[in-house]
Amino acid sequence: ETGVTQTPRHLVMGMTNKKSLKCEQHLGHNAMYWYKQSAKKPLELMFVYSLEERVENNSVPSRFSPECPNSSHLFLHLHTLQPEDSALYLCASSPRDGGQNTEAFFGQGTRLTVV
Amino acid sequence: AQSVTQPDIHITVSEGASLELRCNYSYGATPYLFWYVQSPGQGLQLLLKYFSGDTLVQGIKGFEAEFKRSQSSFNLRKPSVHWSDAAEYFCAVGADSNYQLIWGAGTKLIIKP
Repeated sequence: ETGVTQTPRHLVMGMTNKKSLKCEQHLGHNAMYWYKQSAKKPLELMFVYSLEERVENNSVPSRFSPECPNSSHLFLHLHTLQPEDSALYLCASSPRDGGQNTEAFFGQGTRLTVV
Repeated sequence: AQSVTQPDIHITVSEGASLELRCNYSYGATPYLFWYVQSPGQGLQLLLKYFSGDTLVQGIKGFEAEFKRSQSSFNLRKPSVHWSDAAEYFCAVGADSNYQLIWGAGTKLIIKP
């Protein structure tokens, strides 16, 4: 148990659906991250929030929309996804405002399948 | 550009045998290096990290890693593996951006009984 909780653990959605992934941490961290993990590919950083402001957006399609209402919660809103978006979506948090030596604490992920 | 290479996609080791997982990086300055482990159906957990100082780093679960600047490597080792070590292992390097880690593609460790 890392202290980072993601819900749901599994999600199957159609291409016309709208759904949201939720991430919650009560570790007192002030940076939160969304990663995409696809089979046989390196982890892809999608978004970074620091002190509730988005500080990184790595050319992610607009069908993914993040939201960080406070330092403990992070959402990823999904709409009109494509089958190639099926992956494990990992949330992480870190105890400082980034920095190259910052350790990230990961949630267990949401396994997303787009049909 | 920064990059991390884990040359082995899969490694199979007998229980009780020693283990070495390879990681090579490309980075201009002194790197910050990490090893994470991901058990099936789980998120990633930090095993160990190197920032500076002693090039042999001890981590959790009996793992260690050695930073070799001349070889641009940060290989992960364990003297005797247990069946519970079966997982996927990821090497990462701290990037120029404050928030990014550059990740390797991972090595899946399979333990033979």
